[in-house]
Amino acid sequence: DAGVIQSPRHEVTEMGQEVTLRCKPISGHNSLFWYRQTMMRGLELLIYFNNNVPIDDSGMPEDRFSAKMPNASFSTLKIQPSEPRDSAVYFCASIPGSSYNSPLHFGNGTRLTVT
Amino acid sequence: AQSVTQLGSHVSVSEGALVLLRCNYSSSVPPYLFWYVQYPNQGLQLLLKYTSAATLVKGINGFEADFKKSETSFHLTKPSAHMSDAAEYFCAVSPQGSSASKIIFGSGTRLSIRP
Repeated sequence: DAGVIQSPRHEVTEMGQEVTLRCKPISGHNSLFWYRQTMMRGLELLIYFNNNVPIDDSGMPEDRFSAKMPNASFSTLKIQPSEPRDSAVYFCASIPGSSYNSPLHFGNGTRLTVT
Repeated sequence: AQSVTQLGSHVSVSEGALVLLRCNYSSSVPPYLFWYVQYPNQGLQLLLKYTSAATLVKGINGFEADFKKSETSFHLTKPSAHMSDAAEYFCAVSPQGSSASKIIFGSGTRLSIRP
C-alpha cells in the first residue's frame, strides 16, 4: 500500500497568495483528517471527513481556510489569502471506518512557509 | 474532559540505556491510548496502542507501554536505546465510544540518543 500521499512536500509563498494542499488517502479508508502542526500549538485537528462529507470543521481557524473532498481518493485544503501565521506543517491522515480505536495513518506532510 | 500530559518535552539518554517516556491521561473511563513516533520530516507512525486486552502492550522497534489505571498512566519504555530511536514521541488518548476525530495528542517528547 502506498500510504497517505500529500503534495507538495514544501510550499513557499508570499502573504496574500492562495495556497492549495492536496491529499490522497489510503484506498478503502473512508475517514480523512487534516491536522496542522506548529511548535507553539502542537498538533491541531482542522477538519474531519467521513464518506467525503465534512463532519467536524470546528478546528478550521477562520474563513480563509476551506477544505473539500470531492471523492473518496482526493482532498484539498485551501488557504486564501495566506498569512505568515499560517506557516506550519500540514498533515493529512486517514482511517478505515470512523472508530475511536483505529490508529491514524499519516502522510508525510506539507511544510508551508508564508513570507 | 479528556486530556493527556507528557512529562518532559526533551529526554536524552545514552545509547544502550533504558528509555522511559511518561504519559498521563485524564478520563472518567479508561480510554484507548496510543503512542506515535515522528521521525524528522515525516508524519506520525503508530508505535503501539492499548485497547483493554492487556495492560502491557508491545509495539514496534522493541518499545512497550504499561497501562496503569490506578495511576492513569501509559508510560513508554525500551530496555536499550538505539541511535535510530531519536525522534519525537506522542502519546494520544481517544475516548471510548466517540469518533476518531476526538483523539487528543500530547505535546510530544523529543528523544535524543547520546553515542
